[in-house]
Amino acid sequence: QKEVEQDPGPLSVPEGAIVSLNCTYSNSAFQYFMWYRQYSRKGPELLMYTYSSGNKEDGRFTAQVDKSSKYISLFIRDSQPSDSATYLCATNQAGTALIFGKGTTLSVSS
Amino acid sequence: KAGVTQTPRYLIKTRGQQVTLSCSPISGHRSVSWYQQTPGQGLQFLFEYFSETQRNKGNFPGRFSGRQFSNSRSEMNVSTLELGDSALYLCASSARGFGPYEQYFGPGTRLTVT
Repeated sequence: QKEVEQDPGPLSVPEGAIVSLNCTYSNSAFQYFMWYRQYSRKGPELLMYTYSSGNKEDGRFTAQVDKSSKYISLFIRDSQPSDSATYLCATNQAGTALIFGKGTTLSVSS
Repeated sequence: KAGVTQTPRYLIKTRGQQVTLSCSPISGHRSVSWYQQTPGQGLQFLFEYFSETQRNKGNFPGRFSGRQFSNSRSEMNVSTLELGDSALYLCASSARGFGPYEQYFGPGTRLTVT
């Protein structure tokens, strides 16, 4: 079983839709949870960073962590064509390297 | 504040050669990590350096090595290149390392081995 599982998609939605991106992880010791956005031919850009269970909101983006079910989510409200990218979840515990999901490719059409 | 920079951005090498990639972290950041990204395996951790010392190492062969200088700039070296080493190599910088410190990535170096 991989440590972090993420559906690769692709996911196609119309502009204005609510997008839900999800990952599951296997190690209950993971403490920190991140979402990165990666545009084609660019490096990953940190979108959201959370610690422990709960929700964190930043503009149109909401990150949700449920440690009891080892499930992490990213919601994008009012999606825009500029949101078209690959979204990577990542997690780790203190002092250890980030473990990434393989990424979900999102396409938002206008 | 300038972001993480990586040079060169693109590189084409022949099997058997060696290559050196460079990374300059965000000013004030002391931790530099290196990752390999391929379509099949995704992002995989290579190693992390903090204050010129390797602190963490991923599961890659000894052909992959790195170092960090006193100004926090880092280089990674791959010797005896294989076709499977073709990938996007990313470096990330952080104030003090892994969790809870955020990791910021550079644009990457795309290495093609022929």
